[in-house]
Amino acid sequence: SQTIHQWPATLVQPVGSPLSLECTVEGTSNPNLYWYRQAAGRGLQLLFYSVGIGQISSEVPQNLSASRPQDRQFILSSKKLLLSDSGFYLCAWSVPSYGTNYGYTFGSGTRLTVV
Amino acid sequence: ELKVEQNPLFLSMQEGKNYTIYCNYSTTSDRLYWYRQDPGKSLESLFVLLSNGAVKQEGRLMASLDTKARLSTLHITAAVHDLSATYFCAVDMFSLTGGGNKLTFGTGTQLKVEL
Repeated sequence: SQTIHQWPATLVQPVGSPLSLECTVEGTSNPNLYWYRQAAGRGLQLLFYSVGIGQISSEVPQNLSASRPQDRQFILSSKKLLLSDSGFYLCAWSVPSYGTNYGYTFGSGTRLTVV
Repeated sequence: ELKVEQNPLFLSMQEGKNYTIYCNYSTTSDRLYWYRQDPGKSLESLFVLLSNGAVKQEGRLMASLDTKARLSTLHITAAVHDLSATYFCAVDMFSLTGGGNKLTFGTGTQLKVEL
């Protein structure tokens, strides 16, 4: 069966420190991978998505970057965190089928607090 | 740019009552999802609506999709306290720039069912 792992679950980081969040998927190959962020009490905003190794689409200009070094690994990074980077970060995957895909599965999330 | 609007944003209702959450979107799409989110948790998939006129039911929740009106509804029948959560609709669209599908979320409806 397919599973998605996201870690850490919670993170408290000082302003100006670097960030690395990791997401891995098991039980499938060539998934589409996504990073979403949810600010406190708000909706979900798509940050990045990837349709293959090394292919990253950025949705919103910001202080973050993403990389996909392996087929089932998606990493969200920052060189210097800002207070506004605080939020709940969710990784998700879906499998393309016949040029479309349906069914998105979300990880358990990382709650990031920048202090 | 795709816009997804939900209403109401907040809904307080008594147990046993019926109510409907509305999800309007601005661009043609044939796939729409409904998710539930409990406080501090990730997203739980409720329904995937794949075509015009699709109707799905699970327990006290029923979702429908009208692609011509660009409208989906989530109907709650005889609400119970356990349904208290935030509900999101999300529209699935193919991106020509990114080359893959992505979900755009509505603003969410925070539902509180009073005992």
